Order: sequence, then structure tokens, then C-alpha cells
Amino acid sequence: GAVVSQHPSRVICKSGTSVKIECRSLDFQATTMFWYRQFPKQSLMLMATSNEGSKATYEQGVEKDKFLINHASLTLSTLTVTSAHPEDSSFYICSARETLAKNIQYFGAGTRLSVL
Amino acid sequence: DAKTTQPNSMESNEEEPVHLPCNHSTISGTDYIHWYRQLPSQGPEYVIHGLTSNVNNRMASLAIAEDRKSSTLILHRATLRDAAVYYCILRDRLGNQGGKLIFGQGTELSVKP
Repeated sequence: GAVVSQHPSRVICKSGTSVKIECRSLDFQATTMFWYRQFPKQSLMLMATSNEGSKATYEQGVEKDKFLINHASLTLSTLTVTSAHPEDSSFYICSARETLAKNIQYFGAGTRLSVL
Repeated sequence: DAKTTQPNSMESNEEEPVHLPCNHSTISGTDYIHWYRQLPSQGPEYVIHGLTSNVNNRMASLAIAEDRKSSTLILHRATLRDAAVYYCILRDRLGNQGGKLIFGQGTELSVKP
């Protein structure tokens, strides 16, 4: 099956620094990528949807200036958590879809962010 | 968004069939029924999806009620590796709402040896 690679798998950073997470579709071109966040014992919460070459669409309550999303190519999307604080510590998961007609969304393995 | 309702948790014995129910009484005619599962500390993975007819694949079967207001994911022989949170999600096939997958709380399946 299709593979989505997410890097890094784990990152620890100091409060106030920025962290970039990469998401790559390895064997297909992803017209749309999604970013989710998951707190312990909770479900995934969709943060934003990005289409290649256009600005991301953020879900209500998600700060676009804090969570910068770039989808510059059909195989790469990045999420940058700017000026991270301890409350941003979470499990971040990306997902990619080839086209709307193709019903399956493929997920990365996730990035566990810990902000000290 | 059309919502789904699933039991919080279920238990199964290894090598026995498991039936995971999902209610979606407000489903619209353009909604696909998707199932994903998430193993501990991993991203979700696709299990199966359907629209009206029952579906089978190598992982599971999906039984859809005639009125489409409920569905059941069937694992024919549970293994310890099937222990996961299973999510039943409605996705609009016309792409309204961007065809996003919105996750509910899911059912946490535990499998006993």
C-alpha cells in the first residue's frame, strides 16, 4: 500500500523555539494533505487541510500564525510549530490523499513533540 | 457534520470473530462509511470503506444496514495485533467539507489470548 513518511518521529525542544515536521508521500502524488493533533487518551483532531500550491485551510480554533503549513510540492508538506510552549506538546500526525475520488487517506506514523 | 456513535470499548478473545458496531442515523446519501484503526503510538491505518453494499477485503468485512443508518465492521478471526482503537467515519463523496476525515472517539478493542 501507499506510504506516508513523517519525520522526525520524536522531538524534544525548549520553550520558545520552533519545530518543523515533514510529511512525505513516498509512492504517490498527494494533492491534499492533512495535519492532525492528538492528546493522550483522546481522538485525533484535524488542524488543517492543505492543497498543493495553495494556502492551508485551518479548522476553527487553530492558530494559523502558530502552526505554519507549507505544501510546496505534491509529495511534501511541512508543519512548523512556532514559538512552542509546553501546552503544544502533543502527537502530531500527517495524512495524505491522492485525489478526492480515491477514497483512502494514508497516515504517517506521527511525531511526538515534547516542549520543555 | 454527520456523526457516528460507537461503543467506547469492546473485548474479544483471540481467534474469535469480532463485530464492531457503528450508528450513523443522520447519514446523507452522499456519505461513504469509512473504518480506520489506530494501533498504540502509531498513525491510523485504513481498514475498509463502503457506500451501500457489503464489502470484503483481506483485513475485514463491512456490513451496511439496508437503511444505511448503521454498519458493522467484522474481523473474522481476531489476533493480538488487532488490538487498537477502531474509528467509524462518514466522508462525503462529493467533497463537501473538503472530503475531510473527522475522527470521533472510536471503539477501543482489546484482544485476550
